[in-house]
Amino acid sequence: DIQMTQSPASLSASVGDRVTITCRASQTIGRYFNWYQQKPGRAPNVLIFDVSTLQVGFPSRFSGSGFGTEFTLTINDLQPEDFATYYCQQTYGVPRTFGQGTKVEI
Amino acid sequence: QVQLQESGPGLVKPWETLSLTCNVSGGSINSDYWAWIRQPPGKGLEWIGDVHYGGSTNYNPSLKSRVTISIDMSRKHFFLKLASVTTADTAVYFCGRGKTGSGHFLELDPWGQGTLVTVSS
Repeated sequence: DIQMTQSPASLSASVGDRVTITCRASQTIGRYFNWYQQKPGRAPNVLIFDVSTLQVGFPSRFSGSGFGTEFTLTINDLQPEDFATYYCQQTYGVPRTFGQGTKVEI
Repeated sequence: QVQLQESGPGLVKPWETLSLTCNVSGGSINSDYWAWIRQPPGKGLEWIGDVHYGGSTNYNPSLKSRVTISIDMSRKHFFLKLASVTTADTAVYFCGRGKTGSGHFLELDPWGQGTLVTVSS
């Protein structure tokens, strides 16, 4: 199995902050890498796919980068609606594993 | 646009089989992958498996001996069966579409709203 190690598990931030979340894969996964946002009691929504493509409907303060085994989600100018849990996922191999999640809270 | 909706019993007894259905509306089921994911209360996401519209399946090895995922394109449904459940299988179960590119599974979009299944006697 490809392991996805996400960090930090949680972080405390303020409105207007810049936040960075990291995900490391246990082997090279090319560009088969996504980020999801999940709010309490809701299903996750794809936020960024193909490493860096922003899903329609999400603001440009979200960005993704990375290559091979190291990937990063950056949120600039954090807004109240961004407080949520973020998950990374690889779809290079089976099982299509998720990271453990990062809870972004005030 | 494609929408997904899970349905099935919210309570299953230990050692019985959990059965869920995902209804696909607003688009075709004759493409892409169709996946099941679960989330135990207060925990993270676990990919269970998926079925390609052509019928091939992929399962999480940790569940493979107990899982069956199938698809009925005529009814635009796909299904999850998880046998011999225990309390560890209590979770919110989501269905999702695995979008494809060049035949490869890309991202999960959209997701169903999820359905809580509790395993208890």
